[in-house]
Amino acid sequence: DVKVTQSSRYLVKRTGEKVFLECVQDMDHENMFWYRQDPGLGLRLIYFSYDVKMKEKGDIPEGYSVSREKKERFSLILESASTNQTSMYLCASSLWAGVAGELFFGEGSRLTVL
Amino acid sequence: EDQVTQSPEALRLQEGESSSLNCSYTVSGLRGLFWYRQDPGKGPEFLFTLYSAGEEKEKERLKATLTKKESFLHITAPKPEDSATYLCAVRSNTGNQFYFGTGTSLTVIP
Repeated sequence: DVKVTQSSRYLVKRTGEKVFLECVQDMDHENMFWYRQDPGLGLRLIYFSYDVKMKEKGDIPEGYSVSREKKERFSLILESASTNQTSMYLCASSLWAGVAGELFFGEGSRLTVL
Repeated sequence: EDQVTQSPEALRLQEGESSSLNCSYTVSGLRGLFWYRQDPGKGPEFLFTLYSAGEEKEKERLKATLTKKESFLHITAPKPEDSATYLCAVRSNTGNQFYFGTGTSLTVIP
């Protein structure tokens, strides 16, 4: 079974702090994604990566950056956390090749910024 | 523009009362349509992939079907443990992104 592991389930940070969210997948997937999920807005793509050191902006990249130094690890960085970044953050991975390349999600990281 | 619309937003069923959830989509060449189940406070759990119109997939009380414009998730004789939010997503042939609907929140009452 594919396993996507997010480093923290719950975090509480203060405005202006730098926040790191880490994600590791164990199935050698090329693609990795970071989404945020808010009530009424659904899942919104922040960034995705289709290879090591490669990244592309999603729909809402402002205020975020990412790092992919190894194939299995994809980190989301909030340089200076703000209260409007309080949300559920979901990491996912998928194959590039293959018929459809389903997304497999981690358990999520609930971030609260005070 | 690729997009996904799910209906209804919320659905309450009595235990044993069968129903269907709808996912309407527009995409420039369908690579796959996906159904997920999401429990509160957790990440979405993959259920099915459908690739082409006419295809059907089943898992326990769930059956997913696909036409050229929409997909249905049929729930037969649901149980309280089927209560969750069900998400639909599509992936096009032309890109690497997935497009999600906002989900249907299903509550099954004992």
